[in-house]
Amino acid sequence: QLQLQESGPGLVKPSETLSLTCTVSGGSISSSSYYWGWIRQPPGKGLEWIASISYLGTPYYNPSVRSRVTISVDTSKDQFSLSLDSVTAADTAVYYCVTPHGQNYGDKFDNWGQGTLVTVSS
Amino acid sequence: DIQMTQSPSSLSASVGDRVTITCRASQSISSSLNWYQQKPGKPPNLLIYGASGLQSGVPSRFSGSGSGTDFTLTISSLQPEDFATYYCQQSYGTPSFGPGTKVDIK
Repeated sequence: QLQLQESGPGLVKPSETLSLTCTVSGGSISSSSYYWGWIRQPPGKGLEWIASISYLGTPYYNPSVRSRVTISVDTSKDQFSLSLDSVTAADTAVYYCVTPHGQNYGDKFDNWGQGTLVTVSS
Repeated sequence: DIQMTQSPSSLSASVGDRVTITCRASQSISSSLNWYQQKPGKPPNLLIYGASGLQSGVPSRFSGSGSGTDFTLTISSLQPEDFATYYCQQSYGTPSFGPGTKVDIK
């Protein structure tokens, strides 16, 4: 059973960089899914896809955050990561790592981590 | 960008009721539409993919239909564990989600 676990700081100061890592267990990142991704959910609000990456390293970004976000993959560690620059309070959210298992990088999110709350505050 | 809307935004229903939730896309998305269920404090759970495909392990009381711009999620007989928020999601363009429909107990 493939499992995803997010890790990273729960509190980030405004204007700084948010960095999260997703560790994959129960399978390897290079054989369990072609794509891996991040989705976030502000408290009490809806879901927003942020980015996805293929296990070969091809990234796909939401235009709403494209200028501030970087996604990367480390197959040797079975991890993929998200970096979001110049954060503001609007970036406060629960961040989920996910596996897109459908037709493309944004389709059929059938496996989710438990999520990690990141608060942007001084 | 493709905008997704859902109706209603919330509904109250009783156990055993038939429940229908509608999702509309701002342009045609063919059958590139998925449905998720989310309970408080938990990540979403995929219910339906490709507009009408039932995800493995999901009870058969859940069904999806539609294509183009209009889609429907139906719960044929609402069970106590079905009280949750439901989201549609399109994968035709930049992935986006509907605002959600909260189903609570009447």
